[in-house]
Amino acid sequence: AQSVSQHNHHVILSEAASLELGCNYSYGGTVNLFWYVQYPGQHLQLLLKYFSGDPLVKGIKGFEAEFIKSKFSFNLRKPSVQWSDTAEYFCAVNPINQGGKLIFGQGTELSVKP
Amino acid sequence: DAGVIQSPRHEVTEMGQEVTLRCKPISGHDYLFWYRQTMMRGLELLIYFNNNVPIDDSGMPEDRFSAKMPNASFSTLKIQPSEPRDSAVYFCASMRGAYNEQFFGPGTRLTVL
Repeated sequence: AQSVSQHNHHVILSEAASLELGCNYSYGGTVNLFWYVQYPGQHLQLLLKYFSGDPLVKGIKGFEAEFIKSKFSFNLRKPSVQWSDTAEYFCAVNPINQGGKLIFGQGTELSVKP
Repeated sequence: DAGVIQSPRHEVTEMGQEVTLRCKPISGHDYLFWYRQTMMRGLELLIYFNNNVPIDDSGMPEDRFSAKMPNASFSTLKIQPSEPRDSAVYFCASMRGAYNEQFFGPGTRLTVL
């Protein structure tokens, strides 16, 4: 079955630390890839997306992600986190033969200590 | 644009009652999705529509759940009868075109007592 795995359920960092959140998916065909963020009490917002081209994509608020096709991975990174980055982060995969359907990972809760 | 609008934002009901959740997608978006979020199961796609037609309802948990999209600007998700295990946050999302960003609404927090 198609699935998306986020390896870290809860990450705790101090401000200015670097962040990397892992995401792996199981699907052999072509996919579009997304990272969404959910701030406390709010709805999901798009951080960044990858459809094709340069596998290193930049998103909002200094986030970036790298698509490594051979590893079926799409890890999220930020060089220096801020307290305001405290949120839950979701990786999502859209197999392109399934219309707009998104398959979400379980989410990673990030807590940034000031 | 006002974004995706959902109502109510919070719903508390008793087991056995009918619950109707409402969604207004962003104007011009031709895809609409209903998701459920729980601590145990994360974000699950329940059903999605394209041009008001249900495309994939394989995520609908059981016959107690039904969804309709009578026109391009309105969709409902109905639970009848509701059960405590239906307690969750239900999100609606809309999208323009098949391969694009989904825009999420603020969600409806449902509590079934």
